[in-house]
Amino acid sequence: GIQVEQSPPDLILQEGANSTLRCNFSDSVNNLQWFHQNPWGQLINLFYIPSGTKQNGRLSATTVATERYSLLYISSSQTTDSGVYFCAAGGNQFYFGTGTSLTVIP
Amino acid sequence: KAGVTQTPRYLIKTRGQQVTLSCSPISGHRSVSWYQQTPGQGLQFLFEYFSETQRNKGNFPGRFSGRQFSNSRSEMNVSTLELGDSALYLCASGSGTGYGYTFGSGTRLTVV
Repeated sequence: GIQVEQSPPDLILQEGANSTLRCNFSDSVNNLQWFHQNPWGQLINLFYIPSGTKQNGRLSATTVATERYSLLYISSSQTTDSGVYFCAAGGNQFYFGTGTSLTVIP
Repeated sequence: KAGVTQTPRYLIKTRGQQVTLSCSPISGHRSVSWYQQTPGQGLQFLFEYFSETQRNKGNFPGRFSGRQFSNSRSEMNVSTLELGDSALYLCASGSGTGYGYTFGSGTRLTVV
């Protein structure tokens, strides 16, 4: 299967700081998504981004499919951004990374 | 548009019992996938159904099975439960032809 690596594994930020989360995947994929897992366990879809760049408010994402990586940018972080961020890559079957645990402190 | 509905939200079962979990996808979506999340193994793919046919299957023992009905609702069954089956089980709904997947809130299964 596809190997998905996320970095960093843990990140602690001061409120207002910016951050970049990275996702490397080992093979070409038809589907790549970024999720935020809420405290109750639900995976909230942030971006469907198999290639290109998208922005949604303070969040943006870029996937360079030819180089097999994706980046999630969080600007002006807020305490509500805390949680685990997952990258999932694949086709009709997702392979998940181990996640980046983000803590934003006031 | 209603989201992905998983029932029940929480479940406690005894070793050796069996359990059935349910997932109702977003209206119009024909693909339903199931994932298991544990602290040790992370998020792992169980299987995917599309138009009532299993299209993909992960590396889980035969105790884990599923099916999909004509209205796209899916059920997952685990027989002869083991302590290691304690996990959060997540269901994902998609059109099956791209545009990503939407996850439900999950069913948290505890085996005692």
